[in-house]
Amino acid sequence: EIVMTQSPATLSVSPGERVTLSCRASQYIRNNLAWYQQKPGQAPRLLIYAISTRAPGIPARFSGSGSGTDFTLTVSSLQSEDFAIYYCQQFNDWPITFGQGTRLEIK
Amino acid sequence: QITLKESGPTLVKPTQTLTLTCTFSGFSLSTSEVAVGWIRQPPGKALEWLALIYWDDDKRYSASLKSRLTITKDTSKNQVVLRMTRTDPVDTATYYCAHKARGPGVFDYWGQGILVTVSS
Repeated sequence: EIVMTQSPATLSVSPGERVTLSCRASQYIRNNLAWYQQKPGQAPRLLIYAISTRAPGIPARFSGSGSGTDFTLTVSSLQSEDFAIYYCQQFNDWPITFGQGTRLEIK
Repeated sequence: QITLKESGPTLVKPTQTLTLTCTFSGFSLSTSEVAVGWIRQPPGKALEWLALIYWDDDKRYSASLKSRLTITKDTSKNQVVLRMTRTDPVDTATYYCAHKARGPGVFDYWGQGILVTVSS
């Protein structure tokens, strides 16, 4: 099973700041990496797939990058609605696996 | 517009079988490469993928839960059913069903989720 490790577990940031979240896969996953955002009491929402392709309707301030085993999600200027938990997911091999999540909280 | 909705019991006793139904609209599970998956999330914890069924009835399961899970589809009713046997309190979670589009194995539409508590 491919283990997805996200860091840090929690990030305290101020609105307007730029933030980068990390995700590392335990083995090579090509470009089969996605990011989701989850707000309290809501289902996850797909943000990015194939490392850097934004899902329809996702603002341009969200961007993904990386390759191989190391990936990042960057939010260029945090808005109040961006404070949430973010999960990475690999779909290179079965079983599909998610990271443990990074919580973005307001400083 | 794609929508999915989970239904089933919100409380089950340990050792009982849990049966959850995902009723969807806006797509057909007979379309090539389309799939529906189940993902769960214990309170305050991370997402865990459970199972996936493809348009051609190919099925995939979480390795750790494979012996307890069965996923089936009824294309005419636009439903996917997940059965979990031998439930335990650790299976307490919000269970989501989600649509996987053609191409990348990501879930682009999710149901609202159903909180299932396993307790005597």
